[in-house]
Amino acid sequence: DQQVKQNSPSLSVQEGRISILNCDYTNSMFDYFLWYKKYPAEGPTFLISISSIKDKNEDGRFTVFLNKSAKHLSLHIVPSQPGDSAVYFCAASAPGSARQLTFGSGTQLTVLP
Amino acid sequence: NAGVMQNPRHLVRRRGQEARLRCSPMKGHSHVYWYRQLPEEGLKFMVYLQKENIIDESGMPKERFSAEFPKEGPSILRIQQVVRGDSAAYFCASSPGSQNYGYTFGSGTRLTVV
Repeated sequence: DQQVKQNSPSLSVQEGRISILNCDYTNSMFDYFLWYKKYPAEGPTFLISISSIKDKNEDGRFTVFLNKSAKHLSLHIVPSQPGDSAVYFCAASAPGSARQLTFGSGTQLTVLP
Repeated sequence: NAGVMQNPRHLVRRRGQEARLRCSPMKGHSHVYWYRQLPEEGLKFMVYLQKENIIDESGMPKERFSAEFPKEGPSILRIQQVVRGDSAAYFCASSPGSQNYGYTFGSGTRLTVV
């Protein structure tokens, strides 16, 4: 039972345009959501997070939007750069879970120069 | 301040052998998490440890897998009698406390069972 789903395995975007990565979840107990970026042969790197009490969090070129009623979150990258090419994982956490993270299967973002 | 250090980076084991994966958390971090990534999948939680204590091992397979985080030294994930299905990337993460959500991952150990 996949509680966190990233339905797009890959996404290609032109440099300078917006990248939008999507994530859906099924567990209504999740109250904290994170995005990680991963390059080949490296560990995931924390990118940005959002608490369920908010609907938007922004950090430079990265913005995460949370729609609790739809159980959907998205990561916007504006403007996209070739160095953003990586696999992006959405993750979620529930209270009382020792803060273990449930990850989606990832989306490979390719930013074309 | 070094990040989370995992070794070895690559490990090849024959079926039936034992695999030991080591993780040294960031300085000042006393909480360690182990995750496994199978090919084409996301990371799956395995176990959460504090020094000398296993806090949550709900993601660990019931047999052959064990983990420890001794008072001194790195955390160890041990897989006995490895099988081909154990081939995966194993990532360790550390945090200073259980409420720190964006914890730091190491570069992983890629285990290949032949």
